[in-house]
Amino acid sequence: ETGVTQTPRHLVMGMTNKKSLKCEQHLGHNAMYWYKQSAKKPLELMFVYSLEERVENNSVPSRFSPECPNSSHLFLHLHTLQPEDSALYLCASSQDPTSGSQNNEQFFGPGTRLTVL
Amino acid sequence: AQKVTQAQTEISVVEKEDVTLDCVYETRDTTYYLFWYKQPPSGELVFLIRRNSFDEQNEISGRYSWNFQKSTSSFNFTITASQVVDSAVYFCALSGYNTDKLIFGTGTRLQVFP
Repeated sequence: ETGVTQTPRHLVMGMTNKKSLKCEQHLGHNAMYWYKQSAKKPLELMFVYSLEERVENNSVPSRFSPECPNSSHLFLHLHTLQPEDSALYLCASSQDPTSGSQNNEQFFGPGTRLTVL
Repeated sequence: AQKVTQAQTEISVVEKEDVTLDCVYETRDTTYYLFWYKQPPSGELVFLIRRNSFDEQNEISGRYSWNFQKSTSSFNFTITASQVVDSAVYFCALSGYNTDKLIFGTGTRLQVFP
């Protein structure tokens, strides 16, 4: 496996379900991100993890709960979602620019298309 | 505040035409980075280019070229002799120096017809 992978690629869930999205990066990066992409809106940054510590949480509702057990894996746990949470959820990784590296371009996974009924 | 504007929501061209995608940004930072990403129908964003603010040289990579104009806060992207495989949504993005926070535009959907 190379790059950034995400599973599942598609997910349909009811409002009372609990599910998790998984992201794995094989690039040796130190930072990982969750983005939400809704129709006709800019990508919204949800969470940032740097060296496995959460460094950013952009006022995301508590029904979204991230977990970063190590620098290669990132999860997004979902519970009691709303229909407006239906979107494409993208994971990305990068070298941690705050460590002095200038290689701060982010590499994205293919996303999980989430539909909440 | 930082902001990226991609005024063109959708562009349609016929194969072999040249097409330019516009990007205008706002930032108070004196040092920053600009990016272009491509999102094909498969969903993942593919990194195309990163340009730092103190390098205004235009860049060419095959059929792709980028025109960075600090005076007009623009970072436009031109595809020469477009191909059907160029059909995708293209995003322009901005980040400050020493930060990993990317500010994205709303994207431009490019459709190239045979």
